[in-house]
Amino acid sequence: NAGVMQNPRHLVRRRGQEARLRCSPMKGHSHVYWYRQLPEEGLKFMVYLQKENIIDESGMPKERFSAEFPKEGPSILRIQQVVRGDSAAYFCASSPQGLGQETQYFGPGTRLLVL
Amino acid sequence: AQSVTQLGSHVSVSEGALVLLRCNYSSSVPPYLFWYVQYPNQGLQLLLKYTTGATLVKGINGFEAEFKKSETSFHLTKPSAHMSDAAEYFCAVSDYGGSQGNLIFGKGTKLSVKP
Repeated sequence: NAGVMQNPRHLVRRRGQEARLRCSPMKGHSHVYWYRQLPEEGLKFMVYLQKENIIDESGMPKERFSAEFPKEGPSILRIQQVVRGDSAAYFCASSPQGLGQETQYFGPGTRLLVL
Repeated sequence: AQSVTQLGSHVSVSEGALVLLRCNYSSSVPPYLFWYVQYPNQGLQLLLKYTTGATLVKGINGFEAEFKKSETSFHLTKPSAHMSDAAEYFCAVSDYGGSQGNLIFGKGTKLSVKP
């Protein structure tokens, strides 16, 4: 399967713990986007990364959230000291060149539940 | 700032009936527009997109959408609904104001198909 892969698919954390969400883009794609979907809401953009660079993090909460896309390995979205309001589905998407007209291919998502 | 409005959070049709899902956008520049479908507990799959050229765009599974600049609309239609069309549908526009690559989504429309 050459699609976008995300793991874990489901993640349960207690308040105050850390959550690490991983995303492997499609083969040949070097642009990665993270989105968050809250219940009854559409997807909200969080961050856009290329290999080793954060291009746009205008949608990221100022505290506790960080993202990286290293030269080797998957992109990681990290949430420190999780709170119940962080419970949501987190989707990763990838595209070949980061152009506005390109299709973004989405992974199956990670559903985070904070107890 | 760009935005997307989807009228009707829930739409119900009978099997074999016309499907019409509405999407209006606001953009100060010619937009790139997308329709995605999401099945329960899955990621988003592209149905179709408009970038340039022909304003009537055909997608997968018999769906099509027409870009109407004068009405700032990009409504999704399918002549005859099938039970398998039951899902949530999201309209999106590329964010020119941001990094150009990320998408701005509407809140989604859940489509139910009655037998």
